Amino acid sequence: DAGVTQSPTHLIKTRGQQVTLRCSPKSGHDTVSWYQQALGQGPQFIFQYYEEEERQRGNFPDRFSGHQFPNYSSELNVNALLLGDSALYLCASSLGRISSYNEQFFGPGTRLTVL
Amino acid sequence: QKEVEQNSGPLSVPEGAIASLNCTYSDRVSQSFFWYRQYSGKSPELIMSIYSNGDKEDGRFTAQLNKASQYVSLLIRDSQPSDSATYLCAVARRGFQKLVFGTGTRLLVSP
Repeated sequence: DAGVTQSPTHLIKTRGQQVTLRCSPKSGHDTVSWYQQALGQGPQFIFQYYEEEERQRGNFPDRFSGHQFPNYSSELNVNALLLGDSALYLCASSLGRISSYNEQFFGPGTRLTVL
Repeated sequence: QKEVEQNSGPLSVPEGAIASLNCTYSDRVSQSFFWYRQYSGKSPELIMSIYSNGDKEDGRFTAQLNKASQYVSLLIRDSQPSDSATYLCAVARRGFQKLVFGTGTRLLVSP
């Protein structure tokens, strides 16, 4: 049973550049959520994709955008990178039905460093 | 007030002891509660979920939920050095899938 996969594992960019991170959900899951985790902090919700649409969004600027493909995989795009965007970016997969039972499983993450 | 609060620790316990981790939340509408374990440099791993008041046991782990007090806890029995990690408490509203995390409690289990 394939778990959640993310690529790349590490990325180094300079300020002002753009970056694309990728995620494939766990087999059988149809929903992808993205989180940003700064050092020493808990993950912060960026947005969630279900049925190829953004279903919910956290308190992140429009520089952060995403996409979900028909095979449920997803991309996170960040434009005009700032030093403060340096963090671990986590993808979590789950089932999309509205339910109290909302288990989300995380991928290994992408470590983004902005210089 | 933070939405989900945890003591950052570190919480130090000897091997074989019971570790008790606590979490409080502010949103009374919250319906789903989760504990994740995160080793240094790794991603969070789901270890327990709880949805109803009371206790839920899974192996050495017991999650406890008290919605009236807006309090959720995790007990780890027979703690092992391999349990040394940061434990993240996460909360979600009914019908919504956004997880709100605390900052985590660092647990150190000494041999």
